[in-house]
Amino acid sequence: DTEVTQTPKHLVMGMTNKKSLKCEQHMGHRAMYWYKQKAKKPPELMFVYSYEKLSINESVPSRFSPECPNSSLLNLHLHALQPEDSALYLCASSPQGGGYEQYFGPGTRLTVT
Amino acid sequence: QKEVEQNSGPLSVPEGAIASLNCTYSDRGSQSFFWYRQYSGKSPELIMSIYSNGDKEDGRFTAQLNKASQYVSLLIRDSQPSDSATYLCAVPPGGNQFYFGTGTRLTVIP
Repeated sequence: DTEVTQTPKHLVMGMTNKKSLKCEQHMGHRAMYWYKQKAKKPPELMFVYSYEKLSINESVPSRFSPECPNSSLLNLHLHALQPEDSALYLCASSPQGGGYEQYFGPGTRLTVT
Repeated sequence: QKEVEQNSGPLSVPEGAIASLNCTYSDRGSQSFFWYRQYSGKSPELIMSIYSNGDKEDGRFTAQLNKASQYVSLLIRDSQPSDSATYLCAVPPGGNQFYFGTGTRLTVIP
């Protein structure tokens, strides 16, 4: 089973709202990732958690706040977003960090109004 | 920034033909190489992993790796309309980084 789940599938939020994206995997993977993908562009790495510790923050604005409550869960808290933050947000997991293969969830389509 | 580049598309092939997708990378230290398929509006799906020089075959897909020349390619034999998608090459440079190429959009014409 290589399933990564993400909720919600779609989210529309205003610029003053606070919302959260959720990601879950039960494959025993120890690394989890958040990506942002705009139309016709490749996924762009945002954050990496390895063994539940934040390993990489790719200079992401503070209006995006990741959280890894345990090895199976990954959240992305959103606050005061801008319309240009509208995108597909993808979560992925891999057995470990480094050069291991990643498995992606279905994504959350976010629209900021 | 470690670069991963893919041949610019879009690429169109007739049904039953071989589709050839190429990827070059800049970090000589990279040890693992991946091909993902992404249908429009969907998330990337891992279709091939390759770690050593040479060819790796999986059904109609063959990945080829040449570390000396720093390229990795994906061949799709007997292309089907269902293969129409964007193909992303991924080359982790080390640490926990993970970089994708720009992607090549493939259209298989019935």
